[in-house]
Amino acid sequence: DTEVTQTPKHLVMGMTNKKSLKCEQHMGHRAMYWYKQKAKKPPELMFVYSYEKLSINESVPSRFSPECPNSSLLNLHLHALQPEDSALYLCASSQRLAGGREQYFGPGTRLTVT
Amino acid sequence: GQNIDQPTEMTATEGAIVQINCTYQTSGFNGLFWYQQHAGEAPTFLSYNVLDGLEEKGRFSSFLSRSKGYSYLLLKELQMKDSASYLCAVTAPPGGGNKLTFGTGTQLKVEL
Repeated sequence: DTEVTQTPKHLVMGMTNKKSLKCEQHMGHRAMYWYKQKAKKPPELMFVYSYEKLSINESVPSRFSPECPNSSLLNLHLHALQPEDSALYLCASSQRLAGGREQYFGPGTRLTVT
Repeated sequence: GQNIDQPTEMTATEGAIVQINCTYQTSGFNGLFWYQQHAGEAPTFLSYNVLDGLEEKGRFSSFLSRSKGYSYLLLKELQMKDSASYLCAVTAPPGGGNKLTFGTGTQLKVEL
């Protein structure tokens, strides 16, 4: 199984809502990532978890709150978002954080903030 | 900082060969990846180079020259399904060996 799954596929939320994005992998990978991708732009790294601990936070606003409850799951909690946060949110995983490890991407959650 | 450049768009003919270039300027280098991304889908891994030279994998090959900060992806026997965005990504310190910084992507259109 080389699949990373993400739910929901689409999400529309208001600026006062609280919602969560979920990501799951069963490949035994110990590094998991959140990326944000705007239309016709490359993915931009947001957070990296290694062995369930936050390893990298790319100066992401606090209205995005990541959580890694166990080695298979990664969540992204959303609160008080802005319309400019509308984007495709991609989750990825790799065997380890060490270099040279292929990252497997999920299909993404397309988020629209109204 | 990191600077990774790719051509924005390329067009090629079915059955032909196309080379997509990537140049990078980074503080440190831990390897270079190529990913393919079809519209509305997740990026999928194509190749990884950490040493100079050519890596071949079926119809796809990738080349790296670390001294020149240069890589290319070569696609042979192009098929219509190869129409996609091709992303060059570099891993470099700080922040861990697998922190990917993507280039702007090259949108490849394959025509009959």
